[in-house]
Amino acid sequence: EAGVTQFPSHSVIEKGQTVTLRCDPISGHDNLYWYRRVMGKEIKFLLHFVKESKQDESGMPNNRFLAERTGGTYSTLKVQPAELEDSGVYFCASSRGLPGEQFFGPGTRLTVL
Amino acid sequence: AQSVTQLGSHVSVSEGALVLLRCNYSSSVPPYLFWYVQYPNQGLQLLLKYTTGATLVKGINGFEAEFKKSETSFHLTKPSAHMSDAAEYFCAVSERGAQKLVFGQGTRLTINP
Repeated sequence: EAGVTQFPSHSVIEKGQTVTLRCDPISGHDNLYWYRRVMGKEIKFLLHFVKESKQDESGMPNNRFLAERTGGTYSTLKVQPAELEDSGVYFCASSRGLPGEQFFGPGTRLTVL
Repeated sequence: AQSVTQLGSHVSVSEGALVLLRCNYSSSVPPYLFWYVQYPNQGLQLLLKYTTGATLVKGINGFEAEFKKSETSFHLTKPSAHMSDAAEYFCAVSERGAQKLVFGQGTRLTINP
């Protein structure tokens, strides 16, 4: 069974540019999550999809962040325009819904210069 | 609001020595509790979890953790460290019935030969 994959693994952009991160969950997992870890801080929840619907987006920092999951398969997280404080590692996870059993991808390291 | 505190951002032990990684949580009701591990260039992997029942839970790779309600703790232990245990470890909680994880700051474990 293939794990959660994320693309790209690294992205370096300048302030004001747009970046789109992609996550492919494990096949059959209806639940998809995005988390972020800013350097030196804890991993923080951004949002949770159930299929194509946003179940909980309480962690989204502001309206520069847009997450989509068309068709309930892969998801994208767009940052537009990017700011310096958006730098960090963005993790995607998926699950069947059992408590805590979230399978994480390797993350995308975003650097905003 | 829930919070998780991991005591020590870096822990170093000798190979064969006891591993003890500390985790305390703050929650109005006993949450679900988890330990995740991240090896270099990989995603987070679930080590073990406590949801209900026996308070001493065993996980993969010889790790175990004990839920102590009176101390609001969920410390991770392993009797004998192995070089392959070098990684970053994250304690996390979730509210019962909720999906999002709240993480501690992480503890980087180094094993000395």
